[in-house]
Amino acid sequence: DTAVSQTPKYLVTQMGNDKSIKCEQNLGHDTMYWYKQDSKKFLKIMFSYNNKELIINETVPNRFSPKSPDKAHLNLHINSLELGDSAVYFCASSQDRMGRAEQYFGPGTRLTVT
Amino acid sequence: AQTVTQSQPEMSVQEAETVTLSCTYDTSENNYYLFWYKQPPSRQMILVIRQEAYKQQNATENRFSVNFQKAAKSFSLKISDSQLGDTAMYFCAFLGEGLTQGGSEKLVFGKGTKLTVNP
Repeated sequence: DTAVSQTPKYLVTQMGNDKSIKCEQNLGHDTMYWYKQDSKKFLKIMFSYNNKELIINETVPNRFSPKSPDKAHLNLHINSLELGDSAVYFCASSQDRMGRAEQYFGPGTRLTVT
Repeated sequence: AQTVTQSQPEMSVQEAETVTLSCTYDTSENNYYLFWYKQPPSRQMILVIRQEAYKQQNATENRFSVNFQKAAKSFSLKISDSQLGDTAMYFCAFLGEGLTQGGSEKLVFGKGTKLTVNP
């Protein structure tokens, strides 16, 4: 059974389009995260939700909007895609809101904007 | 703000040998958590080992162990008996409790060390 799943795994799209990445965890965790890994492999947090409530919102362009319909899902919607948005996006979850417990990562979604 | 520095962008080791990956961090917090994550070519992020700052004993997980030096703000990872499957990017990460000014609940990653295990 997949603990944290993301769809799609690969996404190629043109500048200006709007796209969504979906994330689901079946671990019963309360906290979920979105991370961005750039072309140099640098990994940085974007958002964190605890039980559907936004608790961390990094300095991310407002073209990025996370949505949590329930605590098992955290989707990422991106408007007006730009070349610089090309990256691998990881979803993660943890049992502990403070992240002290292990964060389980999804397989990542490689987004390529052309 | 917390920073995590991995000074070795790339390293290589022969199979069955031991290798140590370096990590230093900067924080004003007294209690925090440190992690090593592994990212193989499959891209999956896997937790290798974690250390709680208030515990003086170094964490170990099978062939993986850490040397945690709190005063020096150093958290190195030692891999013993290296295996081909250990080939991956290794990320050091810091998590504070966010209780001090500039503290944060965010997991902060270093830039990673690419480790290659050679047969």
